[in-house]
Amino acid sequence: NAGVTQTPKFQVLKTGQSMTLQCAQDMNHNSMYWYRQDPGMGLRLIYYSASEGTTDKGEVPNGYNVSRLNKREFSLRLESAAPSQTSVYFCASSTAGASTDTQYFGPGTRLTVL
Amino acid sequence: AQSVAQPEDQVNVAEGNPLTVKCTYSVSGNPYLFWYVQYPNRGLQFLLKYITGDNLVKGSYGFEAEFNKSQTSFHLKKPSALVSDSALYFCAVRDSGNTPLVFGKGTRLSVIA
Repeated sequence: NAGVTQTPKFQVLKTGQSMTLQCAQDMNHNSMYWYRQDPGMGLRLIYYSASEGTTDKGEVPNGYNVSRLNKREFSLRLESAAPSQTSVYFCASSTAGASTDTQYFGPGTRLTVL
Repeated sequence: AQSVAQPEDQVNVAEGNPLTVKCTYSVSGNPYLFWYVQYPNRGLQFLLKYITGDNLVKGSYGFEAEFNKSQTSFHLKKPSALVSDSALYFCAVRDSGNTPLVFGKGTRLSVIA
């Protein structure tokens, strides 16, 4: 039982390049989330998927797209990377997305955009 | 809109002493409160949560938190700090309306031997 896994662990991009961050969970959770963590800002929600087939914007969605590929996988795409997207990205999942559910986090992807 | 404040960026405590990491919140309905810990270069790990019931919640690694509705606080506590408790701690809140989880900015705890 690996929990939530993310690939890659590290990535360096040049401005304008695109990339996809991958996330998978093996806990049979319905809901999945993408956050970014910046120094002094805490975690901010980018997008979330309450259930397979649905996605919704979070607090900071601009410059990102997501795909809920199936129940296990939720990817985050940067179409044209900008230096402001330099951050640590975390994927999380929870049972059903209810307010009382605990979210479980992956190890993160550290992205640098030059 | 819900919000969380962690008023201290950094907390320093001597090993063996009690520790407190402060959190206050604002929600429009009933609050659901969470504490997470992040060790260097790792993801967030769940410590404990308050949903309803007893105001004192016990969690992992000897941590506990006290829910105080009148003061809108949910402070994290541990009776005797360990050097290994040194990490970044996040408080988070949701309301009963299934709105997204909102995180505080984090408090860095440093336990000195």
